Amino acid sequence: RKEVEQDPGPFNVPEGATVAFNCTYSNSASQSFFWYRQDCRKEPKLLMSVYSSGNEDGRFTAQLNRASQYISLLIRDSKLSDSATYLCVVNSSPVGDDKIIFGKGTRLHILP
Amino acid sequence: EAQVTQNPRYLITVTGKKLTVTCSQNMNHEYMSWYRQDPGLGLRQIYYSMNVEVTDKGDVPEGYKVSRKEKRNFPLILESPSPNQTSLYFCASRDPSAGSSYNEQFFGPGTRLTVL
Repeated sequence: RKEVEQDPGPFNVPEGATVAFNCTYSNSASQSFFWYRQDCRKEPKLLMSVYSSGNEDGRFTAQLNRASQYISLLIRDSKLSDSATYLCVVNSSPVGDDKIIFGKGTRLHILP
Repeated sequence: EAQVTQNPRYLITVTGKKLTVTCSQNMNHEYMSWYRQDPGLGLRQIYYSMNVEVTDKGDVPEGYKVSRKEKRNFPLILESPSPNQTSLYFCASRDPSAGSSYNEQFFGPGTRLTVL
């Protein structure tokens, strides 16, 4: 089982729709979880951290399910500007290490 | 402005010709990393550094070297580049003591390297 797995997409979604991504991770000792956004040919940028209790930032909601080892990202009322690749990121570092694992990303296209 | 800078942004070179990609951050971050990004493979960590003079291998270190003589700089060295090192390279930094933001990585703009 790969360390961090995502559906590569692409997800083609009409503007205004709700879209959800899942990501699974293999290391049950993983400590922290994130979603990054990457626009074409640009550097990744942090979208949001994922907390055990779930968290929301405007139209974006992130959830963590430790028992099933997956995290999710929900985008409501999608905008054209949401078109990007979304990277699931897991920090599995033991003390004294800095092992951060990126998923391969899910491509999202918002259609007008 | 807080940022991570990389140079050069684009480089075309030939097999075997040593090259260095520089990375510098102005945020006083302790942790720095190098990644390569390839189609279908995502971002893979090459090397990372948790402090000055402290470096360690990531997932794909073969063919690369790094050094961390100063906190702000973390150059990536390809002693003898080969075509399979053609890739998009990102440098990143983070501050492990920054409370709830301690895991946020700040990425440089990327270096697109082609080895002929």
